[in-house]
Amino acid sequence: DVKVTQSSRYLVKRTGEKVFLECVQDMDHENMFWYRQDPGLGLRLIYFSYDVKMKEKGDIPEGYSVSREKKERFSLILESASTNQTSMYLCASSSLLTQAGANVLTFGAGSRLTVL
Amino acid sequence: DQQVKQNSPSLSVQEGRISILNCDYTNSMFDYFLWYKKYPAEGPTFLISISSIKDKNEDGRFTVFLNKSAKHLSLHIVPSQPGDSAVYFCAASARNQFYFGTGTSLTVIP
Repeated sequence: DVKVTQSSRYLVKRTGEKVFLECVQDMDHENMFWYRQDPGLGLRLIYFSYDVKMKEKGDIPEGYSVSREKKERFSLILESASTNQTSMYLCASSSLLTQAGANVLTFGAGSRLTVL
Repeated sequence: DQQVKQNSPSLSVQEGRISILNCDYTNSMFDYFLWYKKYPAEGPTFLISISSIKDKNEDGRFTVFLNKSAKHLSLHIVPSQPGDSAVYFCAASARNQFYFGTGTSLTVIP
């Protein structure tokens, strides 16, 4: 069964701490994404990556950075966590093309981050 | 600006009846439309998709309809079951990018 694995399901951090959220996929997908989900706002794209060492800003990159040193791993970094970054963080991956034709995102289980 | 909109935050349906979830979009360049289902504390899971060149796609109890002239799509679930209770996200894709709606919380009442 193909998987996107997020290393931490629940985290509690203090304001100003540096936070690392790790994501690993085993599907050999080229594309990887980080979203955050907030009630009433849906899924908002933070950063995405089309290839190793490549990254592109999404709709809400402020306060975040990413790292993709290996194809299977995409890390989200909060340099100095703030309370407004309390959220559910979702990692996803996709291939360039699928047999079905639609480019489908496969999501991890999510990381619930609380910043105090 | 939100390119994909789900204007109904919630929907309640009796078990066995039809659930209809709606979605509107603004960008005519989208080439695929997808529906995802999300349970609490889990990641979204892919449900069904439709190409922009089609107007209907069916998979078991789930059917997605696309009206390109109205820039509108809908997901029909027939018959609805209590296990269908979840948040449903509509998404549109173009050139490897995905745009999501804000979600509709479906409750199927036994």
